[in-house]
Amino acid sequence: EVQLVESGGGLVKPGESLRLSCAASGFTISNAWMNWVRQAPGKGLEWVGRIKTNAEGGAADYGAPVKGRVTISRDDSKNMLYLQMTSLKTEDTALYYCTTGSYEGYWGQGTLVTVSS
Amino acid sequence: QTVVTQEPSLTVSPGGTVTLTCASSTGAVTSSNYPNWLQQKPGQAPRALIYSTSNKHSWTPARFSGSLLGGKAALTLSGVQPEDEADYYCLLHYGYSQVFGGGTKLTVL
Repeated sequence: EVQLVESGGGLVKPGESLRLSCAASGFTISNAWMNWVRQAPGKGLEWVGRIKTNAEGGAADYGAPVKGRVTISRDDSKNMLYLQMTSLKTEDTALYYCTTGSYEGYWGQGTLVTVSS
Repeated sequence: QTVVTQEPSLTVSPGGTVTLTCASSTGAVTSSNYPNWLQQKPGQAPRALIYSTSNKHSWTPARFSGSLLGGKAALTLSGVQPEDEADYYCLLHYGYSQVFGGGTKLTVL
């Protein structure tokens, strides 16, 4: 059974940083493009960013609202995906999901990030 | 800023057929946008249904189908079941970015 389990969420103040993790099991992420998607309370889905496979150079792309403030990385040896977020704003408050590429279609259950003073 | 537009809400009767659409502010949606469709029920994570316009995942019920229709991506549910009541999101790819539609709330009544 494929599982993506996010962790690292919590309550932080504006301007602070946070690192989210996603542990994959039953699935090897090394051959997959991986994404982070977020959902603010009561709102729709928003693409945060995506990282290609290391075989393809491991390049990452980001959505406009977070570009310059977040970094996606991967550790294929640990089957882990990460999202480093800096200069957090109140509008970054959301449930953050780890997902595979479209072909695989797997989603985690999300980890909640709350940015509030 | 690219905007992807979906119907905010639709209502369908059990056993009926409904088509949800997904439009792009940049012009016609094509297979190069690799349209995806996801379903989300209250309190649950999204579940992928369709990728690359019309391809189903192993868990996608046969009553769901994806297509391109009149310059938009489309998701058709045939023989709607009560459990299909949910929010449905489309996702379009634009080169280095991806954009979700605002979602369609489907009511089965």
